[in-house]
Amino acid sequence: NAGVTQTPKFQVLKTGQSMTLQCAQDMNHNSMYWYRQDPGMGLRLIYYSASEGTTDKGEVPNGYNVSRLNKREFSLRLESAAPSQTSVYFCASSYTGSYNEQFFGPGTRLTVL
Amino acid sequence: RKEVEQDPGPFNVPEGATVAFNCTYSNSASQSFFWYRQDCRKEPKLLMSVYSSGNEDGRFTAQLNRASQYISLLIRDSKLSDSATYLCVVTGRVGYSTLTFGKGTMLLVSP
Repeated sequence: NAGVTQTPKFQVLKTGQSMTLQCAQDMNHNSMYWYRQDPGMGLRLIYYSASEGTTDKGEVPNGYNVSRLNKREFSLRLESAAPSQTSVYFCASSYTGSYNEQFFGPGTRLTVL
Repeated sequence: RKEVEQDPGPFNVPEGATVAFNCTYSNSASQSFFWYRQDCRKEPKLLMSVYSSGNEDGRFTAQLNRASQYISLLIRDSKLSDSATYLCVVTGRVGYSTLTFGKGTMLLVSP
């Protein structure tokens, strides 16, 4: 039981490059989330998927797209990376409902030059 | 008022000390409240949920005051392993299952 896994762990991009961050969970959770964490800013929700087949914007969605590929997988795409997207990205999953614990992946550390 | 506000610290305490963290939140409609713990360069993990009646889990006690929109965490008999950042978390404004995280309070426990 791996929980929530994320790939890659580290990535360096040049401005304008694109990439996809992958996330998978094996806990049969309905809901999945993407956050970014910046120094002094705390965790901020980028996008979420309350259930398979649905995705919704969070607090900071600009510059990102997501795909809920199936119940297990939720990917985050940066179409044209900018230095402001340098951050640590966490994927999380939970059963549906805000009262449920969110389980986080180990994070992806992204630097955009 | 910011959505979830915490004193960033750091709180420096000796082993065995009792330390308390506070948090205020702005969304009066929030229904769920939590404390998460985050170790340096690691992912956040749930420490405990916070219930209206207050709840205790070993050395940790959480309290909720809905009228004042205030949450607290008390750690008794601090251990070196308690050194971490403690995140106050409430139901988010966006969507049914989303959460809003505070920026965290750093705790450093020294021998």
